[in-house]
Amino acid sequence: GAVVSQHPSRVICKSGTSVKIECRSLDFQATTMFWYRQFPKQSLMLMATSNEGSKATYEQGVEKDKFLINHASLTLSTLTVTSAHPEDSSFYICSASEGRGLVETQYFGPGTRLLVL
Amino acid sequence: DAKTTQPPSMDCAEGRAANLPCNHSTISGNEYVYWYRQIHSQGPQYIIHGLKNNETNEMASLIITEDRKSSTLILPHATLRDTAVYYCIVRGPSGGYQKVTFGIGTKLQVIP
Repeated sequence: GAVVSQHPSRVICKSGTSVKIECRSLDFQATTMFWYRQFPKQSLMLMATSNEGSKATYEQGVEKDKFLINHASLTLSTLTVTSAHPEDSSFYICSASEGRGLVETQYFGPGTRLLVL
Repeated sequence: DAKTTQPPSMDCAEGRAANLPCNHSTISGNEYVYWYRQIHSQGPQYIIHGLKNNETNEMASLIITEDRKSSTLILPHATLRDTAVYYCIVRGPSGGYQKVTFGIGTKLQVIP
């Protein structure tokens, strides 16, 4: 299957700083990427949809000015958590869509664990 | 996307087949059934998908009922590494914006 990578895999930062997470599709081009957040013992929650060359679409309740998304190329999307606070500590996962024929399948990255002190 | 219903947890003996059910009674004619799994502290892993025919790959088999209102994911010989949360998702075919909404899934525990 297609491979999606994320960097970094783990990050610890101080409260008030910004953290950038990269999501890359390694062997395919993805016009659409998705960003999820997962708190302990909960399911994945979709944060936003990232479209190459256009603004991201955010889910209800997700602050677009706090979670900045940039999808500058067909293989790279970035999520920047601005002015991070301890409540932003979570597991952030991206996914990228690969279309083969008429069917599009989402492949997920390994996730980035963010801890804000 | 249609809603899915899965049992919250299941146990399976190592080496035996694991049969994970999913109900999707409101599925539309052009919606596919996808299965993913998430092993602890990792991103979800794609397993298999199907429209109406049964599907098999190196990981699992997917059995979809004739009326398409339910499906079963089969892991033919479960190993301890198959312990994970399994998600059944229904979504439309390709075409731009196709977000995936995750439910709570089924937590499969493979027992030695």
